[in-house]
Amino acid sequence: DTEVTQTPKHLVMGMTNKKSLKCEQHMGHRAMYWYKQKAKKPPELMFVYSYEKLSINESVPSRFSPECPNSSLLNLHLHALQPEDSALYLCASSQEAGSFYEQYFGPGTRLTVT
Amino acid sequence: AQSVTQLDSQVPVFEEAPVELRCNYSSSVSVYLFWYVQYPNQGLQLLLKYLSGSTLVKGINGFEAEFNKSQTSFHLRKPSVHISDTAEYFCAHHERSGGYQKVTFGTGTKLQVIP
Repeated sequence: DTEVTQTPKHLVMGMTNKKSLKCEQHMGHRAMYWYKQKAKKPPELMFVYSYEKLSINESVPSRFSPECPNSSLLNLHLHALQPEDSALYLCASSQEAGSFYEQYFGPGTRLTVT
Repeated sequence: AQSVTQLDSQVPVFEEAPVELRCNYSSSVSVYLFWYVQYPNQGLQLLLKYLSGSTLVKGINGFEAEFNKSQTSFHLRKPSVHISDTAEYFCAHHERSGGYQKVTFGTGTKLQVIP
């Protein structure tokens, strides 16, 4: 199984809502990532988890809160978002975080903030 | 400064014609270069990678790339494209940052295959 799954596929939320994005992999990977991708732009790294610990936070606003409950799951909690946060949010995983293993990407959650 | 540059934002090509998608990298960075493809409404998928060794790298779906140190390039090629190759292609640099892998993507090239 080389699949990374993400739910939901689409999410529309108001600026006062609280929602969560979920990501799951069963490849035994120990590194997981959140990326944000705006239309016609490359993905931008947000967070890196290694062995369930937050290793890199790319100066992401606190309205985005990541969580790694176990080695297979990665969540992104959203609160008080702005319309400019509308984007495709991609989750990825790799065997390890410290070496140059390929990253496996999920299909993404398309988020619209109204 | 960006470590990989994709000069072509869009490349139209007729079906069964050859294609080259260009990628140049900054010579100051360690050279761990990747090509990813993103089909419409999907995540990214690895096409191929160069870490060391042979400069000609073969990937999935008939794609290959050549690492050229003197020209600081890592261009992606396919001898005959299919409609199904229509997608966004990202050149990427993997580097270590604080002991962890960090990926920096180029701005992407949209390959449009014309029937």
